[in-house]
Amino acid sequence: DVVMTQTPLSSPVTLGQPASISCRSSQSLVHSDGNTYLSWLQQRPGQPPRLLIYKISNRFSGVPDTFSGSGAGTDFTLKISRVEAEDVGVYYCMQGTQFPPTFGQGTRVEIK
Amino acid sequence: EVQLVESGGDLVQPGGSLRLSCAASGFTFSNYWMQWVRQAPGKGLAWVSRIKSDGSTTSYADSVRGRFTISRDNAKNTLYLQMNSLRVEDTAVYYCVRHYYNAPDYWGQGTLVTVSS
Repeated sequence: DVVMTQTPLSSPVTLGQPASISCRSSQSLVHSDGNTYLSWLQQRPGQPPRLLIYKISNRFSGVPDTFSGSGAGTDFTLKISRVEAEDVGVYYCMQGTQFPPTFGQGTRVEIK
Repeated sequence: EVQLVESGGDLVQPGGSLRLSCAASGFTFSNYWMQWVRQAPGKGLAWVSRIKSDGSTTSYADSVRGRFTISRDNAKNTLYLQMNSLRVEDTAVYYCVRHYYNAPDYWGQGTLVTVSS
């Protein structure tokens, strides 16, 4: 299985400041169809996960442009340009290129 | 509005069985692959199973293969997960999730399965 490793595991951030989460996969996530199926999800406290980004950098419907995704191959990054109180939660990367789909261990974003 | 509503979670003894259901609305259910993802208490996310839009193809995580069966009824817009030979380690919130560009785009609120004697 593809192992997804996120860093850091915890990220205390000041309101209004940027935050960045890294995700590294144990194998290339480039699919034979040319796409890279790397997604980012947000899970607020007590809520189900919510899709933020798919195929590395595509924001899902309703996701604010303060969230952006980048990367290629095995190294990916989620950036929050200005952290707001509602951004508190756990963020997961997920790969859908290789079977079975696998998730990172999660990064907790909290306010300093 | 896309809605996914799970039901069927309960407390069950090890070795027991349970069937989860997921009622879908707000989209053409028969056009989408669907999947189940679980989350053990205080832990991260783990993919469980998925099924093709017409029900012809299914896949499972190694940890549940041979014990769990995913199915769907497109006429009823409902996804199912039959869980047999349940183990303590199957304790988790089970989420019904729509599949979109190999990403999980819409999630239900989840249903809690507790396996304990």
